[in-house]
Amino acid sequence: AQSVTQLGSHVSVSEGALVLLRCNYSSSVPPYLFWYVQYPNQGLQLLLKYTSAATLVKGINGFEAEFKKSETSFHLTKPSAHMSDAAEYFCAVTFKAAGNKLTFGGGTRVLVKP
Amino acid sequence: DTGVSQDPRHKITKRGQNVTFRCDPISEHNRLYWYRQTLGQGPEFLTYFQNEAQLEKSRLLSDRFSAERPKGSFSTLEIQRTEQGDSAMYLCASSPYGTNTEAFFGQGTRLTVV
Repeated sequence: AQSVTQLGSHVSVSEGALVLLRCNYSSSVPPYLFWYVQYPNQGLQLLLKYTSAATLVKGINGFEAEFKKSETSFHLTKPSAHMSDAAEYFCAVTFKAAGNKLTFGGGTRVLVKP
Repeated sequence: DTGVSQDPRHKITKRGQNVTFRCDPISEHNRLYWYRQTLGQGPEFLTYFQNEAQLEKSRLLSDRFSAERPKGSFSTLEIQRTEQGDSAMYLCASSPYGTNTEAFFGQGTRLTVV
């Protein structure tokens, strides 16, 4: 079975500072990994995905994530936070035979301070 | 294409009543998923369809829940004899057939059981 752990349910960053959101996964087969963002009362929007090609994945809005198999991690970063980055972020995992069914982490809420 | 559409966006119902939600996926997507998200948590998988076939159901989907996707187009999720614990956001997503393809989410239906 797969699982995802997101360290830190809340993160506060200053505008212009580095955003780092942590995600560790557990999977007995090669995983496919995703980061989604959710704004209040909205659905989820895909930021980026890892699909066994390049380990450093670039996504929308300046976000990127690096797949590290040895650490079973897929941390999300953005060099400079913007006020519009305030939202909840979810890491998710699936694998080839899962029909793209996603297992999500508990989420990290990001607060951006001016 | 307008994306995944869910109706209604909000539903307040009394305990013991039945409710039905509708999801219209992106038209060319043959996979459709239902997730449930409670406050402060990540989405949890409920069930998914490939065309009209329901391929997997989570243990979270008690016998009070039923989902259908007639003709492989829109889907409905019905909850019978609602309980306060059913209060949550119900998210629908769709994706094309294939591995690690992106799932596109609707804006969700927020159910409140009073």
